Amino acid sequence: NAGVTQTPKFQVLKTGQSMTLQCAQDMNHEYMSWYRQDPGMGLRLIHYSVGAGITDQGEVPNGYNVSRSTTEDFPLRLLSAAPSQTSVYFCASSPRTGLQPQHFGDGTRLSIL
Amino acid sequence: AQRVTQPEKLLSVFKGAPVELKCNYSYSGSPELFWYVQYSRQRLQLLLRHISRESIKGFTADLNKGETSFHLKKPFAQEEDSAMYYCALHSGTYKYIFGTGTRLKVLA
Repeated sequence: NAGVTQTPKFQVLKTGQSMTLQCAQDMNHEYMSWYRQDPGMGLRLIHYSVGAGITDQGEVPNGYNVSRSTTEDFPLRLLSAAPSQTSVYFCASSPRTGLQPQHFGDGTRLSIL
Repeated sequence: AQRVTQPEKLLSVFKGAPVELKCNYSYSGSPELFWYVQYSRQRLQLLLRHISRESIKGFTADLNKGETSFHLKKPFAQEEDSAMYYCALHSGTYKYIFGTGTRLKVLA
């Protein structure tokens, strides 16, 4: 099993460009989430989903959109990139039961110029 | 408000010395707490969770509801323990709240 796969691993964008970060998992997990990791701020939840067709906002949702059309995929969209969105983005998944640990992807390092 | 606090950004200890990474939480319900670790060039991965009451790689963590703490401890640090450690709270609404992380450096 590949686990959680994120693409791309690195990306540089110009301010105002749009982009989709891909996340796929092959463990049939219901719960998927996106975090951003910034120095001194730890991991902050952007959006999450508890199943196909269900998404909700996390702590820092502004500037990001998500959708969950299948159990496997949970893409994160930046509609108009801003320098403040320069960060490392992690996708994670887990079974729906809250006591289960999350499985993380390798991360996407995104720079907005 | 639900919050996880890791007061130390960086903790340096010598090999063989005891280690304690602090984690305090704020949560009104019954907390579910985890420690995650990120080694250099590796994915963030689960280290341990309080409900298991297990010891992983020599690390233990006890939930203290009175002090609202879940500190991570190891009696004798090893160089391979050098990593970034995150304490996380599952809030019961499918949201995980992470602390800001503590970088542990074990010196030879």
